[in-house]
Amino acid sequence: SQQGEEDPQALSIQEGENATMNCSYKTSINNLQWYRQNSGRGLVHLILIRSNEREKHSGRLRVTLDTSKKSSSLLITASRAADTASYFCATVATAAGNKLTFGGGTRVLVKP
Amino acid sequence: DTAVSQTPKYLVTQMGNDKSIKCEQNLGHDTMYWYKQDSKKFLKIMFSYNNKELIINETVPNRFSPKSPDKAHLNLHINSLELGDSAVYFCASSQDGTRPQPQHFGDGTRLSIL
Repeated sequence: SQQGEEDPQALSIQEGENATMNCSYKTSINNLQWYRQNSGRGLVHLILIRSNEREKHSGRLRVTLDTSKKSSSLLITASRAADTASYFCATVATAAGNKLTFGGGTRVLVKP
Repeated sequence: DTAVSQTPKYLVTQMGNDKSIKCEQNLGHDTMYWYKQDSKKFLKIMFSYNNKELIINETVPNRFSPKSPDKAHLNLHINSLELGDSAVYFCASSQDGTRPQPQHFGDGTRLSIL
């Protein structure tokens, strides 16, 4: 079964705008990871945030984690056409080694 | 240099056939994985090997059999293919499968069953 749900399922924005997507999950986690998938390609790791962290940045990406609400958000600032992709959150449950359980993904379209 | 490479990229075959997908990683990682992505883009772990030893074996029909001849290779053999096996199969690797770490994915094998 899917661990998480992502919201929205699809997002369409203009270049330069910010894109925010949310991920909710069900069980206790060790960490949560975000991945990007371009059409026809494999997944690319973006950020890993541990359960004792609340916020993490990487370039134009900002990830937050609220373990009390079992939710995470990914913010892409100043979006570019090249950010068009599907974005997936994946959780690693406590004591689950490195076993990723994925959400359903958010499809982001950035219009030039 | 491709870090995680899968072959073939596309596989079209008839129901009932047996087929294999190969995966190789040149990252020196100890752990490799197979995932299945269905038509709705849901990704699910199937198997994981750490240093040639099976460490994750999800509820997958026993028609699917992974084989790891060495830690740089993880192949997936599928017997008696069914229509529901149509999907994109991704191979991935990570430095260590016992600790949470980023995983590196191949570009997938698109399997279509006629």
